Amino acid sequence: NAGVTQTPKFQVLKTGQSMTLQCAQDMNHEYMSWYRQDPGMGLRLIHYSVGAGITDQGEVPNGYNVSRSTTEDFPLRLLSAAPSQTSVYFCASSYGQGQETQYFGPGTRLLVL
Amino acid sequence: KQEVTQIPAALSVPEGENLVLNCSFTDSAIYNLQWFRQDPGKGLTSLLLIQSSQREQTSGRLNASLDKSSGRSTLYIAASQPGDSATYLCAIDEETSGSRLTFGEGTQLTVNP
Repeated sequence: NAGVTQTPKFQVLKTGQSMTLQCAQDMNHEYMSWYRQDPGMGLRLIHYSVGAGITDQGEVPNGYNVSRSTTEDFPLRLLSAAPSQTSVYFCASSYGQGQETQYFGPGTRLLVL
Repeated sequence: KQEVTQIPAALSVPEGENLVLNCSFTDSAIYNLQWFRQDPGKGLTSLLLIQSSQREQTSGRLNASLDKSSGRSTLYIAASQPGDSATYLCAIDEETSGSRLTFGEGTQLTVNP
């Protein structure tokens, strides 16, 4: 199993550009989520999904969209990038609710100029 | 809102020392608590998961304890090695959220040869 994969590893955007961060898992996990990690703020939840076709907002959802058309994929879309979205983004997945270890991808480092 | 605090923020020890990392949380209504390891520029790796009904979990040289009533968890690392150098994060999965983790900011551990 590849586990949780994320692409790209690193991206530079200009303010106002849009892009999609890709996340995929091959473990047949129902739960998937996106976090951002910032110095002094720790990891914060952006959006999450409890299964295909179901998504919900986390702690810091503004400026981001998600969709979950398949169990395997959970892309994160930046609609109009802002310097405040400069961060490291992590995707995570787990099999079920609340009692399962969460598996994290290697992260995408995003710089918005 | 759940708040997770980790003390100390950084720790430097000589090789071979036994050490304790601390995590405290404000709301005792949790599903589980997980300890993660993060190496520089990498994703998170789950070390131990303690379910709310458990008091401790062990894996090799690692032992994690959970005291819900006092809102505390500790990660004990025995006979530390330079390869243990990393940032250690604790995360709470709350009863009301289900696989939506609230993270502490981490303890950066350096084990000196």
